[in-house]
Amino acid sequence: DGGITQSPKYLFRKEGQNVTLSCEQNLNHDAMYWYRQDPGQGLRLIYYSQIVNDFQKGDIAEGYSVSREKKESFPLTVTSAQKNPTAFYLCASRVNTGELFFGEGSRLTVL
Amino acid sequence: AQSVAQPEDQVNVAEGNPLTVKCTYSVSGNPYLFWYVQYPNRGLQFLLKYITGDNLVKGSYGFEAEFNKSQTSFHLKKPSALVSDSALYFCAVRDLGTSGTYKYIFGTGTRLKVLA
Repeated sequence: DGGITQSPKYLFRKEGQNVTLSCEQNLNHDAMYWYRQDPGQGLRLIYYSQIVNDFQKGDIAEGYSVSREKKESFPLTVTSAQKNPTAFYLCASRVNTGELFFGEGSRLTVL
Repeated sequence: AQSVAQPEDQVNVAEGNPLTVKCTYSVSGNPYLFWYVQYPNRGLQFLLKYITGDNLVKGSYGFEAEFNKSQTSFHLKKPSALVSDSALYFCAVRDLGTSGTYKYIFGTGTRLKVLA
């Protein structure tokens, strides 16, 4: 079945470490997105990408980086520059009919 | 820039009663509006969308939404609530970002509790 796979589902990190969250889709969708979810703040856009080797900053890109070397993959790196990285991270791709299709999320906790 | 607002953090409704989850929007041009549902520790699931056409949009699991241009609202509704409808609901609007790529702006979410 087609879908989006995010891994790991749970991740613990020490302060000062970079971590990379994986997002892989087999839906053949062009556009992909990363959101951060915090309680009471909804979803906030980190980065998005329409095509391979091209991506744009969202509203809260500081402290994050992405790459889009393959259509299927859009990994997110949370760097040590991100001041408060503990959150639930959601990856999504855009369906041809206009809505987003989401992965199951990755929960990052900084110890 | 486009935006959506969900004025209620939480909505409580008795099982079997109708439910409404509110969303208002601020857009330039014609809005593309969406509703999603999220269960605990899961991703978001698409419920329905408004692009053009009929103001009453029907979606998954018996949900519908009414687009009201004069009131700039897109409220989510269901005639008879189920306990299993208890979840977090998000309204979203599509915006045009840089490089001509669409981006999606989400509201802060409304927690729906259906009481047995």
